[in-house]
Amino acid sequence: QSVLTQPPSASGTPGQRVTISCSGSSSNIGSNAVNWFQHLPGTAPKLLIYNNNQRPSGVPDRFSGSKSGTSASLAISGLQSEDEADYYCAAWDDYLSGPLFGGGTKLTVL
Amino acid sequence: QITLKESGPTLVKPTQTLTLTCTVSGFSLSTSEVGVGWIRQPPGQALEWLALIYWNDDKRYSPSLKTRLTVTKDTSKNQVVLTMTNMDPVDTATYYCAHYIATTTGGSFHIWGQGTMVTVSS
Repeated sequence: QSVLTQPPSASGTPGQRVTISCSGSSSNIGSNAVNWFQHLPGTAPKLLIYNNNQRPSGVPDRFSGSKSGTSASLAISGLQSEDEADYYCAAWDDYLSGPLFGGGTKLTVL
Repeated sequence: QITLKESGPTLVKPTQTLTLTCTVSGFSLSTSEVGVGWIRQPPGQALEWLALIYWNDDKRYSPSLKTRLTVTKDTSKNQVVLTMTNMDPVDTATYYCAHYIATTTGGSFHIWGQGTMVTVSS
C-alpha cells in the first residue's frame, strides 16, 4: 500500500528552526518529486515547496525542502507565530498513478 | 491571476449522487501540461486525492474510489465537473479543486480553490 508517513505533530518556539519529515517508498518519493503544502483551517491549502526544493514566488526563503532517497523534509527557520498550521507532503505515486498525500503534521508555535 | 472556485450542494442524502463544479479563471483547460485535480478533507482528517483531468482529457482516479468517480471538463465554460455516486456519511468532507502543473516527475497542485463543505446525511 502506498503511504507517505509524517509525524502527527511538531512544535517550536519563535525564532527556532523546525523540520518535518515525510517518509515514502520507491514508488513515490524515491522516483518522483515532493511537494509541501501549508494548510490553515478554513482556508485553501498553499503550495510551499514543489519539485523537492523549489519555492513558488511569494513563499519566504525561511521555508526549504530537501529529499534523500525515499524521504523528504521541510525545514522552517526563524519560526513565526503565523507558521502555526498543518503541513502536508505529497508526491506522485506510480502504483496509484496519481498524487499521494501524507497524513499531515500539525505545527504548534509555543 | 489564477483562481478556482468550487460550487455544488452543501447537503446530500445517502445513496445520492454528488455533482461538484470547479470554475476556473486565469488559465485555459486546454493549455499543455495543465490539469485540474479534486482533493477532499474529511473533518479532522488528512487531505485525500480523488481525481485529476489533464489538458488532453486524460483522466486519473484514486483507485479506492474509481468506481464512484467521474471527472469531465468543458473548456469553453472553463469548468471541471466531478460526480461521485452512492454518497455515504463517510464522504462528508470539504472538497477542493486545484490547478495542477504536470511534469515528468509528477507535477504539483499550485493553486487551490477555497473548498466547499459537503455533508452527507438523511
